Amino acid sequence: DAGVTQSPTHLIKTRGQHVTLRCSPISGHKSVSWYQQVLGQGPQFIFQYYEKEERGRGNFPDRFSARQFPNYSSELNVNALLLGDSALYLCASTPGGGWGRDEQFFGPGTRLTVL
Amino acid sequence: AQSVTQLGSHVSVSEGALVLLRCNYSSSVPPYLFWYVQYPNQGLQLLLKYTSAATLVKGINGFEAEFKKSETSFHLTKPSAHMSDAAEYFCAVKRGFDSYDKVIFGPGTSLSVIP
Repeated sequence: DAGVTQSPTHLIKTRGQHVTLRCSPISGHKSVSWYQQVLGQGPQFIFQYYEKEERGRGNFPDRFSARQFPNYSSELNVNALLLGDSALYLCASTPGGGWGRDEQFFGPGTRLTVL
Repeated sequence: AQSVTQLGSHVSVSEGALVLLRCNYSSSVPPYLFWYVQYPNQGLQLLLKYTSAATLVKGINGFEAEFKKSETSFHLTKPSAHMSDAAEYFCAVKRGFDSYDKVIFGPGTSLSVIP
C-alpha cells in the first residue's frame, strides 16, 4: 500500500510569492496534519483537518492556510513568503480523527527554499 | 501546556555500545508518548509509542522505552548500536484522551555511531 505522498519534493520561491503544497494521505485515512520543520529543530504543528474541517491550528500567522478535499487529500497554502518560511513541510495522516492513541504516519516532506 | 525536552542535542556512541536518548515531558493529563526517527532528507518513522498499557514499550529495530510517571520521563534505549542507527530522533507527546490535539515534538537528538 502506498504511504503518505507529498508534492512537490523540492520548491524554490522568492520572497513575497505564494506557494501551494499537496498531500495525499494513506488510503482510508481521514485526518491530515501539517507540520513545519526548520533545519535543526523538531516539527511544529500547523494544522489538522478531519472530514474536511479544521480541527486544530498551531501558532502560525494567517498567511498560512489549508484545506481538505472530499477524497481526504489536502493542500497547504502560504502567502507572502518570508525567508523564515524556508523549511521542510511534513504531512501526516491518521485513520480517524487523530485523537487519543492514533499514531501519525508521515510523508517524506516538501523542502521549501525562499530566496 | 504540554512540552517535551530532550537532553543532549547530539549523542555519539561506539558501534555495539548502549544507546540512551533522554526525553522528559510535561503534561497536565496522562499523555500518549512517541519516539520517531528521521533519516536525512526523509520524513519521520515511528519507532514506538506509549499508550497507557505496559510501561516498558518495545519498538522496531531493537529500540525500547520506559515510561516513568514519577520522573515524567520516556527515555529511549537500545542495547547495542549499529551504524544504521545514525539519525535524528524525536520524542513527542500528545494528550491521552479523546482529543483532536496536536502532537508536540521535542527539539530532537542527533545520534552518531562511531565505528
